[in-house]
Formats: sequence, structure tokens, C-alpha cells
Amino acid sequence: QSVLTQPPSASGTPGQRVTISCSGSSSNIGDNYVYWYQQLPGTAPRLLIYKDDQRPSGVPDRFSGSRSGTSASLAMSGLRSEDEADYYCAAWDDSLSGWVFGVGTKLTVL
Amino acid sequence: QVLLQESGPGLVKPSQTLSLTCTVSGGSISSGSNNWSWIRQSAGQGLEWIGRIYTSGSTNYNPSLKSRVIISVDTSKNQFSLKLSSVTAADTAVYYCARASRLAGFDYWGQGTLVTVSS
Repeated sequence: QSVLTQPPSASGTPGQRVTISCSGSSSNIGDNYVYWYQQLPGTAPRLLIYKDDQRPSGVPDRFSGSRSGTSASLAMSGLRSEDEADYYCAAWDDSLSGWVFGVGTKLTVL
Repeated sequence: QVLLQESGPGLVKPSQTLSLTCTVSGGSISSGSNNWSWIRQSAGQGLEWIGRIYTSGSTNYNPSLKSRVIISVDTSKNQFSLKLSSVTAADTAVYYCARASRLAGFDYWGQGTLVTVSS
């Protein structure tokens, strides 16, 4: 059972804005940065957002992240068909002294 | 461009030890304040962090796997390795190696290697 809670699925139409939530606790999201990863079918995960709201080079500004309290969210605006993928949140957990991931959210672009 | 490549047997018998190596190219495994992790993903499931190592040799392991895991590093070969003992079918998964930069998350990943536990 994942330590971080995400909705199993999300969907939107091209051009729409979609948000994925990630809920944790004081030992992880409440006290540490949140990271988001995108996993396209059959590929390795790719870093999408780091330190809550920072985008690595090459990640479009359509993707944004935020954190408040023990929750975080990933927002995708101007949805495109190539955004169809699984999205995972992650954070360091001080109690476990390790990384924890969300269960993943499957994004469908209708 | 940093590249990571996993290697090792794709089939392991139950109760035996799973052994994988990750070879890092395009940069020294010892450079910067990076640390190196193993992460796995069972079919249709999410990501599970197994553990990490710094080139100093310091390690952290997932508490749920700690009793069966050893991660080591060989800086002369620019490699780090995973050993998971007493495997069962539940350990069947795609195993990824990944680099974590300080506060920057897992920024480089290997392509992953499928390990099946079966007799």
C-alpha cells in the first residue's frame, strides 16, 4: 500500500486543464519537497517537477506543481494527446528514512 | 549526458538471490553529491523504492526490504549493484537504477530490466 495517496485515474480533452492531487503526512509531504514523474507506456519514468514547483530543462511550462501542508498537486494546462501517461508523486519520508511514491494516476486524453 | 544501464539475469529461481548491476556512463559516479538508487515496478503496479547508496558507501534501505537487500558501489568500474536475497514470485518486477541529485529528485533513470522469479 502506497504511503502517498493519488487518484487512480484522471481525464481531460485536448486543450483542457487537469489537476492531479497527492496526499501524504507530516513525515513526508508535510516536511519535504514533492517530486512528480511522468511514465509513458513501456518507458522509464521521467522527472517532471522537482522541489515542489521546479521544472527540469526540457519540461514544458504547461506543467506546474504546488505543495501546501501535507498535500501537493500537479497541474497540466493545454492538454495534449502525448500527455497520456501515468503520473507519480514522490517525497522523502523522515519516519521511514526512504523515498515513498504515490500509487500513480493514469491520465487519459479523451 | 549521463546514461544508466541495468544488467543481470532475467530469470531467478525462488529462494535464490537476485543480482543486478547498474553501469553509469557519461560522467563519474563519484562526482557531485549524487546518490544512486534501485527502484522496482511490478506489472501494472506503482513504483517502489528499494534503497540507495552514496559513493562513500553509506546506504539507506526500504524498511520492508531491508532484511534482504544489499546495495554496493564500485567506483573504479562506475557501477553500483543490487542483491536481493530469498526471492519469491512477489519480487518479479522491472528493476530500475536511478540517480538522485541533492534535492533534485531522480533525474536520470536506466531503461529498466525485467526480472522474473520462477522455477
